[in-house]
Amino acid sequence: GQNIDQPTEMTATEGAIVQINCTYQTSGFNGLFWYQQHAGEAPTFLSYNVLDGLEEKGRFSSFLSRSKGYSYLLLKELQMKDSASYLCAVRKEGNRDDKIIFGKGTRLHILP
Amino acid sequence: DAGVIQSPRHEVTEMGQEVTLRCKPISGHNSLFWYRQTMMRGLELLIYFNNNVPIDDSGMPEDRFSAKMPNASFSTLKIQPSEPRDSAVYFCASSWDTGELFFGEGSRLTVL
Repeated sequence: GQNIDQPTEMTATEGAIVQINCTYQTSGFNGLFWYQQHAGEAPTFLSYNVLDGLEEKGRFSSFLSRSKGYSYLLLKELQMKDSASYLCAVRKEGNRDDKIIFGKGTRLHILP
Repeated sequence: DAGVIQSPRHEVTEMGQEVTLRCKPISGHNSLFWYRQTMMRGLELLIYFNNNVPIDDSGMPEDRFSAKMPNASFSTLKIQPSEPRDSAVYFCASSWDTGELFFGEGSRLTVL
């Protein structure tokens, strides 16, 4: 099976930095995604890590350590529009094809 | 491209009725996923297809749920008979070779 854990909720202040952690336990690990989901909307892609290290994309960065089963999403210069849920998802090898399993998400609240 | 298209956007039905949700993936994508999202359980993978073939349906809750993909541009998820605990948002997503997932806007199902 697989287990993906992330905090249920976090709160941060506009302009600050926040780090959202994700730990996973799975066989056949083949990459990790981060998605953003605003209330009432569909998830949208933020990042994909398959190798260890940090991937930076504007205000958002994502880090992966495969040996530790650990990833984080770093959001800098927080804006009110960053209030959303952030979903960690693992790409898992299957017999015939990979599948993508999501954690329950971290609801991020931004305070002015 | 129009993106992933799902219908209906909202459905309210009574317990015992048949429900059919529809999805048109992005043209050229070869993987299609059906997810169900609730507050309690998060985003759960129900079934996914690769090149129109069902690969893994282990997430389908029970025999009341079935999914088909008769061609590369259309998939259905059917619930018969529906129950109140099936109330959720059902997302369809497509991708190329289980890469970045592109989600439809979801079908919000309420079973009374």
